[in-house]
Amino acid sequence: GAVVSQHPSWVICKSGTSVKIECRSLDFQATTMFWYRQFPKQSLMLMATSNEGSKATYEQGVEKDKFLINHASLTLSTLTVTSAHPEDSSFYICSARDNRYDQPQHFGDGTRLSIL
Amino acid sequence: DAKTTQPPSMDCAEGRAANLPCNHSTISGNEYVYWYRQIHSQGPQYIIHGLKNNETNEMASLIITEDRKSSTLILPHATLRDTAVYYCIVRVGNNAGNMLTFGGGTRLMVKP
Repeated sequence: GAVVSQHPSWVICKSGTSVKIECRSLDFQATTMFWYRQFPKQSLMLMATSNEGSKATYEQGVEKDKFLINHASLTLSTLTVTSAHPEDSSFYICSARDNRYDQPQHFGDGTRLSIL
Repeated sequence: DAKTTQPPSMDCAEGRAANLPCNHSTISGNEYVYWYRQIHSQGPQYIIHGLKNNETNEMASLIITEDRKSSTLILPHATLRDTAVYYCIVRVGNNAGNMLTFGGGTRLMVKP
């Protein structure tokens, strides 16, 4: 079945550093990918919609200069958390949907980010 | 997208069928019902989706009422590995650009 690979699966870094998370669709092409954030015991919250070859669309309250998204190909989107602080610590999850008709979205296994 | 209502938690005995309800009384004619589940510390896993007909795959069955205002996800023989949070999501069409909006879901606990 469709596979979405997310890397790294977890990262710990110091406050002020930038962290890049990759999301790849391994066996299908995805014009659109989505980035979610999930805090403990809460549901997934959409952060932004990533579109291949164009600018991402951010949800209200999400700082586009802090969460940089690049979708340079039909199989790769990246999320960079710039100048990360402890409050950015969370579980970040990407999803992608096969461009072909009537295919569901598939999710990566998430990246647990801890900022010290 | 239409709002969904699910019970916050349910228990099920191992080996028995798990029936997870979802209300979506404001669903529109072009909105599909999707089910995903999230096992602890993993990304959501797609289970099944449907428009108005009942659907079945290797994981589960989806029963949608005739008026489409509610649906039930059925796991025919629940195992301990089915313990997870199950999300019922209603979304317009099959457009790749449409994101999924997650509610609180149902936390299913399968017990030995």
